[in-house]
Amino acid sequence: RKEVEQDPGPFNVPEGATVAFNCTYSNSASQSFFWYRQDCRKEPKLLMSVYSSGNEDGRFTAQLNRASQYISLLIRDSKLSDSATYLCVVNIGTGGFKTIFGAGTRLFVKA
Amino acid sequence: EAGVTQSPTHLIKTRGQQATLRCSPISGHTSVYWYQQALGLGLQFLLWYDEGEERNRGNFPPRFSGRQFPNYSSELNVNALELEDSALYLCASRRMTGNYGYTFGSGTRLTVV
Repeated sequence: RKEVEQDPGPFNVPEGATVAFNCTYSNSASQSFFWYRQDCRKEPKLLMSVYSSGNEDGRFTAQLNRASQYISLLIRDSKLSDSATYLCVVNIGTGGFKTIFGAGTRLFVKA
Repeated sequence: EAGVTQSPTHLIKTRGQQATLRCSPISGHTSVYWYQQALGLGLQFLLWYDEGEERNRGNFPPRFSGRQFPNYSSELNVNALELEDSALYLCASRRMTGNYGYTFGSGTRLTVV
């Protein structure tokens, strides 16, 4: 079993749709969690950290469920520019000892 | 604040040659991470340097090596290049305290012919 698993997609959604991505992790020593966005042939960019209480940044909402060991990302009112690959990232332990990247979920938003 | 910078942007080498990739972290970041991303695939962890020392390495052969300099910049060396080494090589840095994610450089695209 992979340490971080994501649905590879692709997700094809129309503009304005709401789309949700889930990510599960297997290591209970996981301490911090992030969502990154990666455009084609570009570097990943930090989208948002994920906090236990859940957090929101504009149209994006991230949730963490430690008991079930999953993280989610909700995108509301999808834009064409949201088309990208979304990576779930988990830090295991503290001090940056081990960081695991999910394989990513591909999103296509169509007009 | 300047971001993570990598050079060169593109590199074309012949099989069997050596490649050297460079990275400068964000000012104040002491840790540098190297990742390989082959076309269409996920990020594979290569190496982690902190305070000048190698702290961890991924499942790559010894011909992948590197170092970190006193100014925290880093070099990745790949010896005896093979065709399958063709990939985007990404460098990242982060603060070691607090819950911060990585900041990546724009990468070096290595092509082995």
